Amino acid sequence: GAGVSQSPSNKVTEKGKDVELRCDPISGHTALYWYRQSLGQGLEFLIYFQGNSAPDKSGLPSDRFSAERTGGSVSTLTIQRTQQEDSAVYLCASSLRVTNEKLFFGSGTQLSVL
Amino acid sequence: SQQGEEDPQALSIQEGENATMNCSYKTSINNLQWYRQNSGRGLVHLILIRSNEREKHSGRLRVTLDTSKKSSSLLITASRAADTASYFCATGAAGNKLTFGGGTRVLVKP
Repeated sequence: GAGVSQSPSNKVTEKGKDVELRCDPISGHTALYWYRQSLGQGLEFLIYFQGNSAPDKSGLPSDRFSAERTGGSVSTLTIQRTQQEDSAVYLCASSLRVTNEKLFFGSGTQLSVL
Repeated sequence: SQQGEEDPQALSIQEGENATMNCSYKTSINNLQWYRQNSGRGLVHLILIRSNEREKHSGRLRVTLDTSKKSSSLLITASRAADTASYFCATGAAGNKLTFGGGTRVLVKP
């Protein structure tokens, strides 16, 4: 695809439900990031995948959060038993090669937990 | 925790004026990047400066990097209303993830 694609663009859920957020990175990009952004705030790092290496999960805020990347391409971020404080925009980004290179961002998923 | 911190948090200028914002960071880096965000969704990469570079230009953008002071600045010259956005710095260390600061919200008034 031409860019990073995220779905859904908006998700409204009830407290306690599980949600899955999807990210399709740019084809051939080996690095994939998930960030979270609360209203008016900066980007909070969640998790980072690089090729076949073990992911860096150091930013996941609790064990309710998990992510996987299948076949080195599509990634899914799962939030179990959602809480109101999980409400935020979840941004996915990919980059061509190793670490620290230019990131290409998707448009994000706005998650609202009622 | 955030590696980079932008200053000021918000900036309001008239069209045609220059806008300057700063980023400070704490640990050694191998590059520093600036991104722009419109309407609170996806970020767009503006410019990357490596740790062995001191200044870089791209169109109306000028970025400086002072590794001794662990700081960078982004200058937007001759600002336009379309430059209204949030601007974020991101720092990367060898073999490590990119971490972002809290951003500077820039308002360019016509």
